[in-house]
Amino acid sequence: GENVEQHPSTLSVQEGDSAVIKCTYSDSASNYFPWYKQELGKGPQLIIDIRSNVGEKKDQRIAVTLNKTAKHFSLHITETQPEDSAVYFCAAITNAGKSTFGDGTTLTVKP
Amino acid sequence: DTEVTQTPKHLVMGMTNKKSLKCEQHMGHRAMYWYKQKAKKPPELMFVYSYEKLSINESVPSRFSPECPNSSLLNLHLHALQPEDSALYLCASSRDVIREQYFGPGTRLTVT
Repeated sequence: GENVEQHPSTLSVQEGDSAVIKCTYSDSASNYFPWYKQELGKGPQLIIDIRSNVGEKKDQRIAVTLNKTAKHFSLHITETQPEDSAVYFCAAITNAGKSTFGDGTTLTVKP
Repeated sequence: DTEVTQTPKHLVMGMTNKKSLKCEQHMGHRAMYWYKQKAKKPPELMFVYSYEKLSINESVPSRFSPECPNSSLLNLHLHALQPEDSALYLCASSRDVIREQYFGPGTRLTVT
């Protein structure tokens, strides 16, 4: 089955700095890669996603890149703010809707 | 309405009890999902419904029984659970199985 590895497990940055979280996946059948932000006591919230036919996508301060050959995808957050502090999960999803999540990254943005 | 609602928010049940978790969405989504999330762990997929038919069962024990009565509702029936089943149970929906998923806030289940 699919295996998704996510690094780092914790990340601490100063407000205004950039944050990068990386994931690798194993199953070539995965072709949709969402990123979720989960705050304490809440369900995961989709922040950005990318499909296998696209190499990069950007939405304001957030960008995602995908290297399908290497089976890598990354989340980039620029100009971080304290409210970006949360747990971030990457996921790999197949056409059948089977999703596998990475183990999560706890991001702390220090004011 | 862009919300997935789940009831109850919290549930405490004994190992001999029968209870149900409910999930509802009114976004016209045709795929719905149940996930289990233990503390400090990622969500783990349990079931996927596509057009009200069960399409994925991730080898979930039979003490968890999903039901999709219509395109807006998803239930998870619980019976004879074990303490290790205590977790946050998340429901999600999407337009179809390869579209972005919207998660509900979850039901925090404690099995005593």
